[in-house]
Amino acid sequence: AQTVTQSQPEMSVQEAETVTLSCTYDTSESDYYLFWYKQPPSRQMILVIRQEAYKQQNATENRFSVNFQKAAKSFSLKISDSQLGDAAMYFCAYRDPGAGNMLTFGGGTRLMVKP
Amino acid sequence: KAGVTQTPRYLIKTRGQQVTLSCSPISGHRSVSWYQQTPGQGLQFLFEYFSETQRNKGNFPGRFSGRQFSNSRSEMNVSTLELGDSALYLCASSLESGMANTEAFFGQGTRLTVV
Repeated sequence: AQTVTQSQPEMSVQEAETVTLSCTYDTSESDYYLFWYKQPPSRQMILVIRQEAYKQQNATENRFSVNFQKAAKSFSLKISDSQLGDAAMYFCAYRDPGAGNMLTFGGGTRLMVKP
Repeated sequence: KAGVTQTPRYLIKTRGQQVTLSCSPISGHRSVSWYQQTPGQGLQFLFEYFSETQRNKGNFPGRFSGRQFSNSRSEMNVSTLELGDSALYLCASSLESGMANTEAFFGQGTRLTVV
């Protein structure tokens, strides 16, 4: 079974600085999808960024980018120019295309942003 | 367009009772997935329904069941409630199941407390 591990339960960053959240996963599949979700206090999960395993280029969405290392099974999220609104729980997730829409989540990282 | 709607938002039940939670997906979406979120176990996949058929099931006891109606609305039922069933139950809506560009949109969840 696939597993997703986030080794940092909590992270802190100064406003306007850059922070990187770590995620590793375990799978025997060669084709899969990886995601970072944000869960603010409102509890609603919001997709931040996604990466297809067959794409070597790292995904980027505005201030958010990933460092996808397929051989190392690593998928970290970099947030640049951190803003107060970035404070939330961040979850890394894995999806096997053969398993429908089932997402396997990591344990989450709580990000605090200091003004 | 309207997002994913989960009802009720909050629920308090007594041990041994049963409960039904509802999820209305985004209009046109045919896939609905359910997740349980607890501080101890994190986010765990319960099941996915696609076009009224259960497509995947997570590792939960038979007390957890679900169904999907012809309008794609989904319900999940938990019978003989236990204290450990206290959790945030999240529903995710997707246009298709297992497709490459499928994105999951989450509702705000139902907070279930079992006393």
